[in-house]
Amino acid sequence: DQQVKQNSPSLSVQEGRISILNCDYTNSMFDYFLWYKKYPAEGPTFLISISSIKDKNEDGRFTVFLNKSAKHLSLHIVPSQPGDSAVYFCASRRPGGGADGLTFGKGTHLIIQP
Amino acid sequence: DTEVTQTPKHLVMGMTNKKSLKCEQHMGHRAMYWYKQKAKKPPELMFVYSYEKLSINESVPSRFSPECPNSSLLNLHLHALQPEDSALYLCASSQDVPGSPYGYTFGSGTRLTVV
Repeated sequence: DQQVKQNSPSLSVQEGRISILNCDYTNSMFDYFLWYKKYPAEGPTFLISISSIKDKNEDGRFTVFLNKSAKHLSLHIVPSQPGDSAVYFCASRRPGGGADGLTFGKGTHLIIQP
Repeated sequence: DTEVTQTPKHLVMGMTNKKSLKCEQHMGHRAMYWYKQKAKKPPELMFVYSYEKLSINESVPSRFSPECPNSSLLNLHLHALQPEDSALYLCASSQDVPGSPYGYTFGSGTRLTVV
């Protein structure tokens, strides 16, 4: 049973426009969410995170929005750049506190077109 | 040093071989993790070490044997693997302080092929 879901396997966006990547989760105990960017054959690179006590976190071109009632979060990238083309994973810290690992969604392949 | 270093980057092994994957970090992180990622799939958690003690084993077959010799090193010993174990193996580390903002750092992985 997938507890973190990214329902769009791929997304194509024109350079300079906004990219919006979506993520849904089912476990109401999840309290901390992270977005990672990944290139093939490399490890995930941390982008931005958000705690469940907030509804928005911003870092440069990246903003993450959290809607707890809908169990939904989204990553906005503005403006989109060619180097943003990668697979983006949404992840949640597993409930329990401490060192408990991350549960990942299946990822969305973002393609930025010139 | 803000990196997690994994060696080797690539490994090809036979089903009767014994090999080890290594992971090292010098960020003072007290939690270390092994993940497995198959093609077009998300990373899946295998093991968690917290303060050098195994705290989570996600029902991983015994042909995978983790070891944490000290707070900076994490090994994954491999024996009698199957071709379906071929995957990218990722190591990660983080602060293990409940309630603190999570700073997970991943290594670049070891691409394992079992023949």
